Amino acid sequence: DTGVSQNPRHKITKRGQNVTFRCDPISEHNRLYWYRQTLGQGPEFLTYFQNEAQLEKSRLLSDRFSAERPKGSFSTLEIQRTEQGDSAMYLCASSLELAGHNEQFFGPGTRLTVL
Amino acid sequence: RKEVEQDPGPFNVPEGATVAFNCTYSNSASQSFFWYRQDCRKEPKLLMSVYSSGNEDGRFTAQLNRASQYISLLIRDSKLSDSATYLCVVPWRALTFGSGTRLQVQP
Repeated sequence: DTGVSQNPRHKITKRGQNVTFRCDPISEHNRLYWYRQTLGQGPEFLTYFQNEAQLEKSRLLSDRFSAERPKGSFSTLEIQRTEQGDSAMYLCASSLELAGHNEQFFGPGTRLTVL
Repeated sequence: RKEVEQDPGPFNVPEGATVAFNCTYSNSASQSFFWYRQDCRKEPKLLMSVYSSGNEDGRFTAQLNRASQYISLLIRDSKLSDSATYLCVVPWRALTFGSGTRLQVQP
């Protein structure tokens, strides 16, 4: 399978715990994006990387959230001291950005439930 | 005002019907737009790109009205398999998604 993969697919945690999600993009893609989606809403932009550089972060990304893409390939999204409001689907997408906006391919997502 | 607004639906239509969704956006500088399709509990997938006045792909037609800042998606001859949520997307801050319009095609 050469698509975007995310692990784990599901995560249940207790409030106050830290969680980390991983995203493996399509191998030749230089951009990687993180989104969050709650029920009945479209995905909301969190942050994106071009290669290993984090170029933009949304105001939604509080200081409890951190994302890395250390070697310009896979990325991790960590949420510290989780809150019930963090429960959502976390989607990763990647694209090969040459000029303008190119198609983003999404992974299957990690569904987080904070109890 | 939200950056991208859509009627959430649901639109319940019989097979074979023609259905249209509208989407309005606030960023007048946007040059390209997208419609993504999202099946229940699945990831979004690109359906169509709209770069000028419109685009047609089989039963699907997307149109862009820059003066009024809205995009439409027309589906002709609806199939049961068209049942999904259709997300209007504007490239701003990566991608800015509308909340989606849910379509249910009934036999």
